[in-house]
Amino acid sequence: DAGVIQSPRHEVTEMGQEVTLRCKPISGHNSLFWYRQTMMRGLELLIYFNNNVPIDDSGMPEDRFSAKMPNASFSTLKIQPSEPRDSAVYFCASSLKAGALRGYTFGSGTRLTVV
Amino acid sequence: DAKTTQPPSMDCAEGRAANLPCNHSTISGNEYVYWYRQIHSQGPQYIIHGLKNNETNEMASLIITEDRKSSTLILPHATLRDTAVYYCIVRLYFDTGTASKLTFGTGTRLQVTL
Repeated sequence: DAGVIQSPRHEVTEMGQEVTLRCKPISGHNSLFWYRQTMMRGLELLIYFNNNVPIDDSGMPEDRFSAKMPNASFSTLKIQPSEPRDSAVYFCASSLKAGALRGYTFGSGTRLTVV
Repeated sequence: DAKTTQPPSMDCAEGRAANLPCNHSTISGNEYVYWYRQIHSQGPQYIIHGLKNNETNEMASLIITEDRKSSTLILPHATLRDTAVYYCIVRLYFDTGTASKLTFGTGTRLQVTL
């Protein structure tokens, strides 16, 4: 079990550029979650998918953020255009189903810095 | 979901038991108590969960009071590698097999020292 795999681990980009974060969930898991962590706001759920379908995107900060899950083994979180306030660590997590008692397995995160 | 209250920080000597408290006085009957931890620069890691009975696994023990209004996570022999932020989360679980989202608070920063 390779766990949840996120790429890249670190991303530095200039304000206004497009940024794409990637996530590969654990094989067999059918729920996927994107979180963002900052010192000021802690860990926030941005969006989650069940069976590749977005279920709740109420945490997505604004239209500059979009997430897709084209298949069961891949998801992307895109920010276009990026702004310095988007600097954070972005975590992806997966679970067998959104209601799985055990909860979620998290990836190692992508540290995004927008300058 | 019921809110939780945790102390912001705690210290523990290596080799001793670390007892991390959590207050969830407004918990309802079908809400589970979860504990996660986050070691610096890593993603949160699941530790344990319970409904009303005490639970134990290879990582920790979870003691839930009879009225379910509070709980304690016990790391029986803390090591330096247990230094982390520990999150107590209450999560609603439905009969349909779905559950509410995992919502993280600010947690307790546990520092294990020599």
